[in-house]
Amino acid sequence: DTGVSQDPRHKITKRGQNVTFRCDPISEHNRLYWYRQTLGQGPEFLTYFQNEAQLEKSRLLSDRFSAERPKGSFSTLEIQRTEQGDSAMYLCASSFGTGFDYGYTFGSGTRLTVV
Amino acid sequence: GESVGLHLPTLSVQEGDNSIINCAYSNSASDYFIWYKQESGKGPQFIIDIRSNMDKRQGQRVTVLLNKTVKHLSLQIAATQPGDSAVYFCAERTEGSQGNLIFGKGTKLSVKP
Repeated sequence: DTGVSQDPRHKITKRGQNVTFRCDPISEHNRLYWYRQTLGQGPEFLTYFQNEAQLEKSRLLSDRFSAERPKGSFSTLEIQRTEQGDSAMYLCASSFGTGFDYGYTFGSGTRLTVV
Repeated sequence: GESVGLHLPTLSVQEGDNSIINCAYSNSASDYFIWYKQESGKGPQFIIDIRSNMDKRQGQRVTVLLNKTVKHLSLQIAATQPGDSAVYFCAERTEGSQGNLIFGKGTKLSVKP
């Protein structure tokens, strides 16, 4: 396990379609995060999991967005009825948290383009 | 507004010179800071981190300085190389938060050969 893996790397979809992204964290990391990054900006927090529990969701995460981490390992992020404003890089990160988190490691991201 | 920001959006240095990238943060409750490097089309790459109970931490060619009095963070890169050209972000985590990081907008470092 050499890092955080994300799939696919790129996704082009038509407006109104649903898309799903996958993230495989570093195996010993119990926390998993989703961030969104638009051009020229820093990543913005969307949501995070500790093991299989989703513990926090940002206000950026509208009702069209849903994330899961069913077995506490990989996670999926689904966007329903995509809009052009959803075009961004979706980044996944993982960390090891037992009171003090450290080792936040990011994947290479999934770049979504909604046309 | 953002609680983490950067003084300079772009920085151009000569190869071999030292680079200093600055970051201001506004939340005095932040207890952990990370510098990331991001190349075009890639995810942020961890460079170095520092906890709020430290003032300085050194890595290979990089040093992070934390001044809690003025809420300032800096990244020093020694003997800057062309491969250091990228956008650099500082990120903070607030003590007692759920663990998510808050990022600034980033500084683009360009290294001239």
